[in-house]
Amino acid sequence: NAGVTQTPKFRVLKTGQSMTLLCAQDMNHEYMYWYRQDPGMGLRLIHYSVGEGTTAKGEVPDGYNVSRLKKQNFLLGLESAAPSQTSVYFCASSIRGAWGNIQYFGAGTRLSVL
Amino acid sequence: SQQGEEDPQALSIQEGENATMNCSYKTSINNLQWYRQNSGRGLVHLILIRSNEREKHSGRLRVTLDTSKKSSSLLITASRAADTASYFCATEAAGNKLTFGGGTRVLVKP
Repeated sequence: NAGVTQTPKFRVLKTGQSMTLLCAQDMNHEYMYWYRQDPGMGLRLIHYSVGEGTTAKGEVPDGYNVSRLKKQNFLLGLESAAPSQTSVYFCASSIRGAWGNIQYFGAGTRLSVL
Repeated sequence: SQQGEEDPQALSIQEGENATMNCSYKTSINNLQWYRQNSGRGLVHLILIRSNEREKHSGRLRVTLDTSKKSSSLLITASRAADTASYFCATEAAGNKLTFGGGTRVLVKP
């Protein structure tokens, strides 16, 4: 039972390069999220998806794009990486119940942009 | 902008002591959640308290919610070295999103 899996775990990019982060969940969750976490700060929402084929902007969407072609996968793309995008990226998934929106997180991707 | 703000930012205690951390938020919420993050790992959900609840327990965790003051507290009783982690509050308002605070780093010394 893998839960939420993120690949890669680490990546170093040069300014201007592009890359895609992959998030996969095996819990059949409808909702998926991408966050970034910077030192001393909580998580900030980049983009999210409430179902296959849908995406929406979060708090800090600029410089990122996402796609949810399959229910179990949520991809985060950086078209032209900038040093300000150096961060730890977390993917999460959830299924909304009467109790609320409890999220399950991956282990994170540590990205450095030089 | 952060909805939740934790206090203190860091906490150091001896094993066996209790650890208390607080979270304040700004707008009306449906529920408030606490998550734990061990070093280098993802967040793990600990407990959820609904806006119409005042106190909730789960094992050694006790959470309170005061909606009039827009604040919550997390108490970890009889702390263990394994409780060393960062703890985040997250608020859920309308919609399907959570807004996280900056976290409290807890160090439990053996």
